[in-house]
Amino acid sequence: EAQVTQNPRYLITVTGKKLTVTCSQNMNHEYMSWYRQDPGLGLRQIYYSMNVEVTDKGDVPEGYKVSRKEKRNFPLILESPSPNQTSLYFCASSLLGRDRDTEAFFGQGTRLTVV
Amino acid sequence: DAKTTQPTSMDCAEGRAANLPCNHSTISGNEYVYWYRQIHSQGPQYIIHGLKNNETNEMASLIITEDRKSSTLILPHATLRDTAVYYCIVRVDGGANNLFFGTGTRLTVIP
Repeated sequence: EAQVTQNPRYLITVTGKKLTVTCSQNMNHEYMSWYRQDPGLGLRQIYYSMNVEVTDKGDVPEGYKVSRKEKRNFPLILESPSPNQTSLYFCASSLLGRDRDTEAFFGQGTRLTVV
Repeated sequence: DAKTTQPTSMDCAEGRAANLPCNHSTISGNEYVYWYRQIHSQGPQYIIHGLKNNETNEMASLIITEDRKSSTLILPHATLRDTAVYYCIVRVDGGANNLFFGTGTRLTVIP
């Protein structure tokens, strides 16, 4: 089954304690991205990657890091989480955007609370 | 990406067709109409997309007007599990790159 898997689904952590949210896809997609969703603000892109070892900033990259060492995995790293990073996070993957008949697949989300 | 306008909310009786409109009067000739939905805090789910012609798949039908300035997503037999926020997105390309979901239409299917 084609899917994007995120872990963990729920996480409560304390300010400053480094954490990683994992994302894995089984569709051999080149493109992967991370979004955060906050009430009234919709989904905002944090970082994206167009292929292995190619990553770039989205609209709200501050406080986050990513890596793309393998095609299937795209972890999101919070080196020093702060309460304003409390949010619902989604990983997404797809073929590259130039493939117009493609669609985006999303993970089930990670609800992060930073206290 | 072209701007889209959707009603904030709609109700539909279970078993009836749900017709969700979307206006995109500034759509360009090479822009597609995509529909996604998000069921309460789950990851957004792709439904259907089209360019000019009407499209149908196992989930829904998409009707695009001849001038392409508006479209309607049709869920032919709505179930309670179709209760979700539905997003109409107009884009040149597909994929996960910087999708803008806007506020969408909150569809409530009523038993």
